[in-house]
Amino acid sequence: EAGVVQSPRYKIIEKKQPVAFWCNPISGHNTLYWYLQNLGQGPELLIRYENEEAVDDSQLPKDRFSAERLKGVDSTLKIQPAELGDSAVYLCASSYGTSGRGAYEQYFGPGTRLTVT
Amino acid sequence: AQSVTQPDIHITVSEGASLELRCNYSYGATPYLFWYVQSPGQGLQLLLKYFSGDTLVQGIKGFEAEFKRSQSSFNLRKPSVHWSDAAEYFCAVGARGGGFKTIFGAGTRLFVKA
Repeated sequence: EAGVVQSPRYKIIEKKQPVAFWCNPISGHNTLYWYLQNLGQGPELLIRYENEEAVDDSQLPKDRFSAERLKGVDSTLKIQPAELGDSAVYLCASSYGTSGRGAYEQYFGPGTRLTVT
Repeated sequence: AQSVTQPDIHITVSEGASLELRCNYSYGATPYLFWYVQSPGQGLQLLLKYFSGDTLVQGIKGFEAEFKRSQSSFNLRKPSVHWSDAAEYFCAVGARGGGFKTIFGAGTRLFVKA
């Protein structure tokens, strides 16, 4: 079974430029998460999707961040424009089910390391 | 709101020695509890989970954790550490009920010396 796929693995951009990250969850997993992980910290939730619906985006900085999950499968997270403070690892995770214990067992992708110069 | 504290930023253990990583949580009810491991440049991998029942849970790679309600703790243990266990370990708590939010601790980096 293929795991969670993310691309690109690394991205270096100049500030004020746009950037996009892509995630393909494990087949059959209808819940998808985007996390931000700063150096030396644990992941922090940006947005959670149940199928194609964003059910928790309270921590997403909506002035510059956007996300979509068309057709309830893969997802894209975008930053426009990027700022120096956005340098971090962006992790995607998925889980089976939208409720109960299965919703908590998250499988993570390798992440995208973003460097903003 | 729930929170997770991992008191040790880093720990160094000799290969073959035992390991205990500490985790304390704050939550109004019995939470769901997890330990994840992250190797450099990789995503997080679930080591073990506690939902209910037996408070001593077994995980992958020879790890175990014990839920102690009275101490609000969920410490991770391994009887004999291997060099390949060097990584970052994250404790996480999931709120039961609405929201399905998982909160992660700041992590403990494990160094293994020969």
